[in-house]
Amino acid sequence: QSALTQPPSASGSPGQSVTISCTGTSSDVGAYDYVSWYQQHPGKAPKLIIYEVNKRPSGVPGRFSGSKSGNTASLTVSGLQAEDEADYYCSSYAPRNIFVFGTGTKVAVL
Amino acid sequence: QVQLVESGGGVVQSGGSLRLSCAASGFNFDYFGIHWVRQSPGKGLEYVSFIRQDGSDKYYVDSVRGRFTISRDNSKNTVYLQMNSLRAEDTAVYYCAKDLRDSYTFDYWGQGTLVTVSS
Repeated sequence: QSALTQPPSASGSPGQSVTISCTGTSSDVGAYDYVSWYQQHPGKAPKLIIYEVNKRPSGVPGRFSGSKSGNTASLTVSGLQAEDEADYYCSSYAPRNIFVFGTGTKVAVL
Repeated sequence: QVQLVESGGGVVQSGGSLRLSCAASGFNFDYFGIHWVRQSPGKGLEYVSFIRQDGSDKYYVDSVRGRFTISRDNSKNTVYLQMNSLRAEDTAVYYCAKDLRDSYTFDYWGQGTLVTVSS
């Protein structure tokens, strides 16, 4: 199972929006609505921010939203804040009861 | 609050073995599956393994199947990852993560434990 494809970097000024894509195949992202997104600050563990494509866990700000079309999922961060500067990873359930992660996107707040 | 604490990492020679532990607290451990995910230094996340809440099902990524064994002791609220025949490419921070039931999601993560395989 190959890693899902994400852009290496994305950036925006405070208050702007940034959207990160996550492209898989018809066997993973396209097959299941089990796409999740994780935020990881340097030296820290990943943190769940979106699950089942577009659901937000309790405590995650509403400026984080997710969507999916075909084999590509997307994460949008609206109203960028300094603390949003981090690495972001998507994940999808895949055949044979495993999971596949995205290649990761480093978001910079300019 | 939910807490997952990994331990057991360290430096081991290629071909050696190591057992990682993941001690859980703050939730009904008997009710949830646990995953292992690893991250090589400066690299992305890679899925490793999963064990169902009662230990009845275990899954592994192809690269570790046959070398790694996941198990759990519900009386100790602990999951283990026995790693044998270690290779340089197994060098990574290993995280355990709680499964969000019926959602194929990792909702809580531990802080990780570093495994370094020296050749």
